[in-house]
Formats: sequence, structure tokens, C-alpha cells
Amino acid sequence: AQTVTQSQPEMSVQEAETVTLSCTYDTSESDYYLFWYKQPPSRQMILVIRQEAYKQQNATENRFSVNFQKAAKSFSLKISDSQLGDAAMYFCAYRWIYNQGGKLIFGQGTELSVKP
Amino acid sequence: NAGVMQNPRHLVRRRGQEARLRCSPMKGHSHVYWYRQLPEEGLKFMVYLQKENIIDESGMPKERFSAEFPKEGPSILRIQQVVRGDSAAYFCASSTTRTGERADTQYFGPGTRLTVL
Repeated sequence: AQTVTQSQPEMSVQEAETVTLSCTYDTSESDYYLFWYKQPPSRQMILVIRQEAYKQQNATENRFSVNFQKAAKSFSLKISDSQLGDAAMYFCAYRWIYNQGGKLIFGQGTELSVKP
Repeated sequence: NAGVMQNPRHLVRRRGQEARLRCSPMKGHSHVYWYRQLPEEGLKFMVYLQKENIIDESGMPKERFSAEFPKEGPSILRIQQVVRGDSAAYFCASSTTRTGERADTQYFGPGTRLTVL
């Protein structure tokens, strides 16, 4: 069974600095997607970034980028120039491409606080 | 373009009552997923539906829980005879693409927070 692990329950960063959130996963499949979702205090789940496993190039989305290491099954999120609005719970998620249900498997989350 | 809509946003039920949670997917999306988030935990998959079909219900509790996505109208997650342990946030997500094809991204609604007294 696939699992996703976020080993950092809490992280803190100074405004304008850079922070990296860690995520590891376990799967025997070779074709899958990885996601980072953000959940602010409003509880809305917001997609931050997505990575296709068959792509070697790391995904980037403005101040957000990932370090995808397929062999190590690692998928970390880097937030550059952190802003107060980045404070939220961040969830890493895995989805097997050919899974009939297409369900997302989430990690336990990392709560990020941003200090002014 | 409206996003995924869920209602109600907050629902309070007493033990033994029924809870009905509704989800309207994004326009053009025909796949709906339900997830549950217990306090201080990540989201756990419950069920995946297409119009009039349950595709994967491997995450659904065997008793008291059911889901449907009729040809017309929103998807409904129904919890019968609620217990305190059902208190959680229930999220609906929708996507455009199905199994075996290029998987698409799931977009989430704001969630329904169920409190069982």
C-alpha cells in the first residue's frame, strides 16, 4: 500500500526567508502524481503545486518549487520569499495514475508559521 | 467559474440523527471524491463517484455511511445514526478525468464541518 510521510509536524520561517517542507512516500509504482496542498485557517484545501513522476524537471509555481527525487522517493516543497499569507497547514499527497479510484493519499501535514 | 460547492458549511447533529452533506462539482467535472479529516489529522479518502456510479468506496465505513451522485443534482454523503466519532470535516473534490487516462487534479470544496453532540 502506498504511504505518504511528513516528518515535520511544525515549521517556522521568518518573513522574506526561504523554507523547505519535507515529504517522503512509499510506492512500488512508477507512474504517479505528487501534489502539495495548502490549508489555511479557513480550512479550504488549495492546490499549490503538482509534479508528474515521469518528468525529471522539478515543478515550479512562482515562489513555490519542489525538489523531486524519484529514486529516494522524496518530494520537498521550497517556499521562497515567505509571506505572512503562506502561514497554513501544508499537505503532501500522492496519486497513482492508473488507480481506478484516482484517490489521493495524504501525509499528516506540516503546520507552517511565518514570523513578521 | 464557480468552484466546488459544499453545503452546509457547518452541521450540528445529535447522536442517532442523520447527516446529509451535499457537493456540487466544478462546472465540467463529472468525478467526485469525498474525504474526511479528523481533528489534527490529514485527509482520508472515503469514496469516488461518477454520475450514477460508485467507482471506489474502499475508504467508506461499512455501516451507516452511503454516497450517491445522481444524474441530476449534487453528490450526497449520508451518515445515518451519527455518533460522536463522526465529528470531522468532510471535503468534496472534483476532477475532469478518469482512470487510465491522464490523471487530472482534484479541486476541493470548502468542506462541511460536522459536529455530533
